[in-house]
Amino acid sequence: AQKVTQAQTEISVVEKEDVTLDCVYETRDTTYYLFWYKQPPSGELVFLIRRNSFDEQNEISGRYSWNFQKSTSSFNFTITASQVVDSAVYFCALSEALGGSNFGNEKLTFGTGTRLTIIP
Amino acid sequence: GAGVSQSPRYKVAKRGQDVALRCDPISGHVSLFWYQQALGQGPEFLTYFQNEAQLDKSGLPSDRFFAERPEGSVSTLKIQRTQQEDSAVYLCASSLELAGNTDTQYFGPGTRLTVL
Repeated sequence: AQKVTQAQTEISVVEKEDVTLDCVYETRDTTYYLFWYKQPPSGELVFLIRRNSFDEQNEISGRYSWNFQKSTSSFNFTITASQVVDSAVYFCALSEALGGSNFGNEKLTFGTGTRLTIIP
Repeated sequence: GAGVSQSPRYKVAKRGQDVALRCDPISGHVSLFWYQQALGQGPEFLTYFQNEAQLDKSGLPSDRFFAERPEGSVSTLKIQRTQQEDSAVYLCASSLELAGNTDTQYFGPGTRLTVL
């Protein structure tokens, strides 16, 4: 079975500090996708990034960056120069095939989330 | 364009009542997913539709849970004879299916169900 571990339950940092959220996953699939979602207090899950298991290049999008390391089964997320608006619960998720590879869509297995609080 | 919408946003039910939760996916999205999110936990998969076909319902916790998507667009998750352990946020997600690829799931705001 697939599993996603987010060991950090809660993190608090002062505004403008950098912060890294950890994600470790387990899977037997050779092809899989990893995701990060943000869940603000409003409750809606906001998509941040999708990463294919064959693409280990790090990605940067503005203040956000992601470090994918297949050797350690980790997909960590860093926010640079944090802002109060970054306060939310962040979820890492792993795709899992549903009933055959030709369906093209796969259910997500989520971690338990990391609650990030940015202190002004 | 409009995102995924869900209604009601909040639902309070007495134990034993039946409830129906609605999901309007993004227009044109073929795939639709339901997830259950308990307090302080990550979402957990319930069921999956490809158009009107329910291809996986392995995550439904009991036979009191039933989902449908009769015309391949709007979906309804029905819970019969609600129990306190059904209290959770129910999230709906849709994705534009690309054959052979895992597509991104876009989530609605969820319905928070409280069973008294």
